[in-house]
Amino acid sequence: QSVVTQPPSASGTPGQRVTISCSGSTFNIGGNTVNWYQQLPGTAPRLLIYDNNQRPSGVPDRFSGSKSGTAASLAISGLQSEDEADYYCASWDDTLKGWVFGGGTKLTVL
Amino acid sequence: EVQLVETGGASVQPGESVRLSCAASGFFFASYWMSWVRQAPGKGLEWVANIKQDGSETHYADSVKGRFTISRDNAENSLSLQMNSLRDDDTAVYFCARFSWYTGLDVWGQGTTVIASS
Repeated sequence: QSVVTQPPSASGTPGQRVTISCSGSTFNIGGNTVNWYQQLPGTAPRLLIYDNNQRPSGVPDRFSGSKSGTAASLAISGLQSEDEADYYCASWDDTLKGWVFGGGTKLTVL
Repeated sequence: EVQLVETGGASVQPGESVRLSCAASGFFFASYWMSWVRQAPGKGLEWVANIKQDGSETHYADSVKGRFTISRDNAENSLSLQMNSLRDDDTAVYFCARFSWYTGLDVWGQGTTVIASS
């Protein structure tokens, strides 16, 4: 069972806006920044959002992140078929002295 | 091009050992913390271990503490994970990742598969 909690699944139709939530504690999300990763089937994770709401170069501005207290969320607007993937939130945990990941959310584009 | 390439994955019996390697290129390896992250079949991502730039500090997930050892060779731009006393639940794809305090785990290798099964 993950220290950080995400819904196991989410879905939307092309063009829609979808949000994925991530909930942790004061030891991780509450005291540190949140990163989001996208993992397409059979591939390595790709950094999507860092420092709660920053996008690396090459990530479309359809992806956005936010954080409040011990929770964070990823929003995807203008949903596209190629967005179908697994999404993970992650944060540093001060007690583990390591990274904690959410359990992952499988996004389906209907 | 910034790149990480893992090697060393194997299929072994429970109780045996495997050593994974990760070759870094395209960035100044000695300036970064590094991490190993694993993913069991059909499961999510699990952090395994971290190592500081000069190797003086390491941290491990409770699930591998005492069995796995992370190390690095900055002269060779290489990261390693020595895995002893492997168990069935260590079966996973193992990724090495570059670790930045600002951008998190920002560069990942393609992964290498370890199977521990009788």
